[in-house]
Amino acid sequence: DGGITQSPKYLFRKEGQNVTLSCEQNLNHDAMYWYRQDPGQGLRLIYYSQIVNDFQKGDIAEGYSVSREKKESFPLTVTSAQKNPTAFYLCASSPSVPTDTQYFGPGTRLTVL
Amino acid sequence: GENVEQHPSTLSVQEGDSAVIKCTYSDSASNYFPWYKQELGKGPQLIIDIRSNVGEKKDQRIAVTLNKTAKHFSLHITETQPEDSAVYFCAARGRGKLIFGQGTELSVKP
Repeated sequence: DGGITQSPKYLFRKEGQNVTLSCEQNLNHDAMYWYRQDPGQGLRLIYYSQIVNDFQKGDIAEGYSVSREKKESFPLTVTSAQKNPTAFYLCASSPSVPTDTQYFGPGTRLTVL
Repeated sequence: GENVEQHPSTLSVQEGDSAVIKCTYSDSASNYFPWYKQELGKGPQLIIDIRSNVGEKKDQRIAVTLNKTAKHFSLHITETQPEDSAVYFCAARGRGKLIFGQGTELSVKP
């Protein structure tokens, strides 16, 4: 099956802990993205990557970090510096940025206890 | 900055009726407009998209129209079914990234 996988589906963390969300795609897409979704709001872009070993900040990058060591993987770390990390996190990919069509994974719901 | 406004925020229709969701965008350079359907607890799924060189696009019961002059685009769902119940998001690609609307929660009552 081709697609985007995110793990885990649910994640709980204590305040002050860093946590890493996984995103993998086997679509051979060049570009990958991380979005945050809060109730009643649209999707907000955290980080995106157009090619391996390169990534750019989105609109709400503070308190988050990413890496892109492999084309198929784009993990997101939510650090203790993120003031309000409880949210639904969505990973997406697209063949290339100019193509624009983004395909989303199933999401990870992060809850800070 | 770039902005996409989506209306209404909630929409309730009877099964078999039509549903219309409207979006306006601020960046006149926007050239790509996708629509996504998101079911509870899942990731958004692309249902239809339109590019700026086209005024209308249809796919079975769904259609999207684009008015570049007025900078707005709309999603039309005909013959609605209970399985159409979900949150729908519009988006516009402007200068390098997708900007999403706030979402419309559609409820189709049997």
